[in-house]
Amino acid sequence: GAVVSQHPSRVICKSGTSVKIECRSLDFQATTMFWYRQFPKQSLMLMATSNEGSKATYEQGVEKDKFLINHASLTLSTLTVTSAHPEDSSFYICSASLLAAQETQYFGPGTRLLVL
Amino acid sequence: GESVGLHLPTLSVQEGDNSIINCAYSNSASDYFIWYKQESGKGPQFIIDIRSNMDKRQGQRVTVLLNKTVKHLSLQIAATQPGDSAVYFCAENITPGNQFYFGTGTSLTVIP
Repeated sequence: GAVVSQHPSRVICKSGTSVKIECRSLDFQATTMFWYRQFPKQSLMLMATSNEGSKATYEQGVEKDKFLINHASLTLSTLTVTSAHPEDSSFYICSASLLAAQETQYFGPGTRLLVL
Repeated sequence: GESVGLHLPTLSVQEGDNSIINCAYSNSASDYFIWYKQESGKGPQFIIDIRSNMDKRQGQRVTVLLNKTVKHLSLQIAATQPGDSAVYFCAENITPGNQFYFGTGTSLTVIP
């Protein structure tokens, strides 16, 4: 149980285009999902907390207009990287919690984004 | 976010030996901690967690120790196996929030 999937697993795009990444909880409902970014040989950096039916909460320094998050249902959150640039190339990972507070987060397999 | 750091960025151990991975956290208000294992190109995998009302918790081949006095966390892996080779992260949380902040990670290599 508690499986989280991401789509696509890898994406290559041209600079200036937008890319959408999906995060789905397959066998449970997640009121809260989280988006992380991870550069090579570095740790996971929390970007934002995605709450179903409400606006996402962004961490300090993360541009909300650059990284659009939509959590339209209890099983789906999307992250759109708008006007992507090479420096946005990274590994994007989502996670989902079973409960609203302090519960183990289950992580997706990640999406590798390469912006040319 | 809170700062969570690790003392050792890399660790190499012989197969069959025990491994100890350390983590220092900066926020004394943190009350819930998780250790994750991440293999190359994959998402983190839950290993074990511990709440601040405990100082030790054991799982299968793994033990987590929490020292709140010095804000230190450790993960002990018994009889380390090649399949344990990965990067290990500790993550901290402050109740009632549900955000977790990750440490810098330790890369564990098991030598056959």
